[in-house]
Amino acid sequence: DARVTQTPRHKVTEMGQEVTMRCQPILGHNTVFWYRQTMMQGLELLAYFRNRAPLDDSGMPKDRFSAEMPDATLATLKIQPSEPRDSAVYFCASGLVGGNIQYFGAGTRLSVL
Amino acid sequence: GENVEQHPSTLSVQEGDSAVIKCTYSDSASNYFPWYKQELGKGPQLIIDIRSNVGEKKDQRIAVTLNKTAKHFSLHITETQPEDSAVYFCAASIYGGSQGNLIFGKGTKLSVKP
Repeated sequence: DARVTQTPRHKVTEMGQEVTMRCQPILGHNTVFWYRQTMMQGLELLAYFRNRAPLDDSGMPKDRFSAEMPDATLATLKIQPSEPRDSAVYFCASGLVGGNIQYFGAGTRLSVL
Repeated sequence: GENVEQHPSTLSVQEGDSAVIKCTYSDSASNYFPWYKQELGKGPQLIIDIRSNVGEKKDQRIAVTLNKTAKHFSLHITETQPEDSAVYFCAASIYGGSQGNLIFGKGTKLSVKP
């Protein structure tokens, strides 16, 4: 049963700490998306990759967020330093170039105290 | 860029009634309109989609309609059941586009009361 795997599922940290969220896309998928979900803003696209190359990260606060794909099986989203306003659920999704269906992971719920 | 508006933000219906969620989009180039369902504690999952070359698509109790002229599309759920309770998101995109990114609406929380 192919699925997108995100770790950790929950993260509680203190303001100023570094946070790293990981995503394993479905094997063979070549697009990866990072979203942030809050009650106020809904689903916000932070960044997306095609064939491991970043295509657009305009939705990300550049000074503290960074997204990478070290290899085809791993995508990471880092926040340094974290702030209370970063508290949200972060989703990773993967898909195929030329297709439009995105398959979402279960998310990482981040709480920054 | 594309902008998707979704209404209502919350919807409560009695079990067995129908539910309708509406979305409008701004970019006439968009031609692919999926609907995602997000259950509590899970990520959104695709439930139905429609391309602009058709006006309606059905899958059992759910259907989606599209009006290209008016730039709006709707999700219809008939004979609602408690397990339909979830947050529903509409989205718009260009099918097969090189980027493949979806623009989502802000979601509708559907509650089906037994």
